[in-house]
Amino acid sequence: DAGVIQSPRHEVTEMGQEVTLRCKPISGHNSLFWYRQTMMRGLELLIYFNNNVPIDDSGMPEDRFSAKMPNASFSTLKIQPSEPRDSAVYFCASSPLTGNQPQHFGDGTRLSIL
Amino acid sequence: GQQLNQSPQSMFIQEGEDVSMNCTSSSIFNTWLWYKQEPGEGPVLLIALYKAGELTSNGRLTAQFGITRKDSFLNISASIPSDVGIYFCAGPSNSGYALNFGKGTSLLVTP
Repeated sequence: DAGVIQSPRHEVTEMGQEVTLRCKPISGHNSLFWYRQTMMRGLELLIYFNNNVPIDDSGMPEDRFSAKMPNASFSTLKIQPSEPRDSAVYFCASSPLTGNQPQHFGDGTRLSIL
Repeated sequence: GQQLNQSPQSMFIQEGEDVSMNCTSSSIFNTWLWYKQEPGEGPVLLIALYKAGELTSNGRLTAQFGITRKDSFLNISASIPSDVGIYFCAGPSNSGYALNFGKGTSLLVTP
């Protein structure tokens, strides 16, 4: 079975540019999460969707960050304009149910903003 | 939110040695999860624990849900080089749907 698929795997761009990260969750999973991982702060939840609806976006750092889930099989995380401090690995995860169900992670997008 | 403290922060061991790491929480959990992350990949679930006192094995890995419900332990027996990676504990956040992760234990195994 295909796991969570993220693209691109790597992104290098100059500050000020728009960045769009993409995620395809595991089929049948109705919960989707976007995380950011840095050395200093570890894994941080950015936003959570349930049945395509954003439930909690309190982890989104600034208005420059936005996320959408137009359907059950696709989500995007957009940064506009990007800044060097946004450099991190961004993970998408999905789970079949909410609550204590384990989340399954994609391989991440390594983002570098110059 | 809840704080998860993992220790040790890193371990450097020889192949064949046993490994033990733990995670403590500032509040009571009803679930403990252990993930492993290898370079360039996302965290992969190793073991899920749902009951205080529960002891669960996955091959050479054994994890326990502490009786106090505020801690969990992960043991790896007879380590091999492919055990290298960062091991994360995780538990449910106050929201009930998100996970809080520890900062991880980095494991290095020399042949």
